[in-house]
Amino acid sequence: QVQLQESGPGLVKPSETLSLTCGVSGDSINNYYWTWIRQTAGKGLEWIGRSHSSGTTDYNPSLRSRVAMSVDTSKNQFSLRLNFVTAADTAIYFCVRASVATVTIFDSWGQGIQVTVSS
Amino acid sequence: DIQMTQSPSSLSASVGDRVSITCRASRNIRNYLNWYQQKPGKAPQVLIYAASNLHSGVPSRFSGSGSGTDFTLTITSVQTEDFATYYCQQSYQAHPYTFGQGTKLEI
Repeated sequence: QVQLQESGPGLVKPSETLSLTCGVSGDSINNYYWTWIRQTAGKGLEWIGRSHSSGTTDYNPSLRSRVAMSVDTSKNQFSLRLNFVTAADTAIYFCVRASVATVTIFDSWGQGIQVTVSS
Repeated sequence: DIQMTQSPSSLSASVGDRVSITCRASRNIRNYLNWYQQKPGKAPQVLIYAASNLHSGVPSRFSGSGSGTDFTLTITSVQTEDFATYYCQQSYQAHPYTFGQGTKLEI
């Protein structure tokens, strides 16, 4: 059974870069789309974007100018970078596996990591 | 973006009740609709995919229906472990995929 685990700093200063990594175990990272979703009390669940081992990336248009994702097949992990963060980026960040079958399903989730933007 | 609207926002029920949660899309998404359950402090877990298909391991008391813009999640006999927050999510249009605001099922 696949397991995902987020890692990274829980506190980021305003205007700096949020960097998170998700380790994948129990499955090859060479399949699926690897996704980041965040959750806040105010906006609920928000899809940030996805990356594939082929190098394909897709981002939420609302964040596209600040976000970058990548997949490292040698380490079986994928990552998120979000630049120029503000308090509005404070959220729980989940790394998620997206299976594409009849529909795209977010079928495996990490436990989530709380990231707070504050000086 | 496709907007997803759930109703009600919260719902009170007792063990053994039948409950239904509605999700409406801002435009036709055919059957590209998934349902998730989230318990406090945990990540969401998929229950239903493609509107009416039960995900592996999900109890049969959960069911989904609908197509186009209107969808329903039904729990035929609520159990204690079902008290949680439920979200719908459209996968018809990527970038971005979008979620409903959630429905909290309470005792």
